[in-house]
Amino acid sequence: DSGVTQTPKHLITATGQRVTLRCSPRSGDLSVYWYQQSLDQGLQFLIQYYNGEERAKGNILERFSAQQFPDLHSELNLSSLELGDSALYFCASSVMGENTEAFFGQGTRLTVV
Amino acid sequence: GESVGLHLPTLSVQEGDNSIINCAYSNSASDYFIWYKQESGKGPQFIIDIRSNMDKRQGQRVTVLLNKTVKHLSLQIAATQPGDSAVYFCAEVLYNYGQNFVFGPGTRLSVLP
Repeated sequence: DSGVTQTPKHLITATGQRVTLRCSPRSGDLSVYWYQQSLDQGLQFLIQYYNGEERAKGNILERFSAQQFPDLHSELNLSSLELGDSALYFCASSVMGENTEAFFGQGTRLTVV
Repeated sequence: GESVGLHLPTLSVQEGDNSIINCAYSNSASDYFIWYKQESGKGPQFIIDIRSNMDKRQGQRVTVLLNKTVKHLSLQIAATQPGDSAVYFCAEVLYNYGQNFVFGPGTRLSVLP
């Protein structure tokens, strides 16, 4: 158990809908990352937050947004969902600073039908 | 569990043999590297890391080698066991205000009895 908790584990929704994925980081970690993993692809970095502030942005679509709350949990909002958004979405957390590893949650499997 | 990366490169080794998994990274400015293991249906799990001022680092049954001249990382697993079967990802970590973990495409390790 990495200490990172993601909910829900599975989510099935229709095209055009909006969903929210939730992540609770490890105790003491201030930094949260979101990744997308499609079936034939590796881990694509979406976005990083540190203590509520956006720190780094990757290939995140405009239809997607995220935030980190004062209690350090984070949410990833996916809207106007398309079939191609079906993927595993992982959250990871780390202590801030250079050269620190990230610990991953178990992921949320999103299926858009 | 879910399959990750159906078309990933695959390395098949006999149980008890040593495994070597290779990875090329892209940014010569990267100064921190991590190997992750991902089992079916689970999030990536930290295995071992190495900083750019090192050429080699050893853990329990695992060794990571870093060749900065050719931007190459390798993960060596000694006495490979069935439980080592998984997808292995290398990640290079770039730090520019925020940490950005850039993952390689992954290699599937299959341990044969």
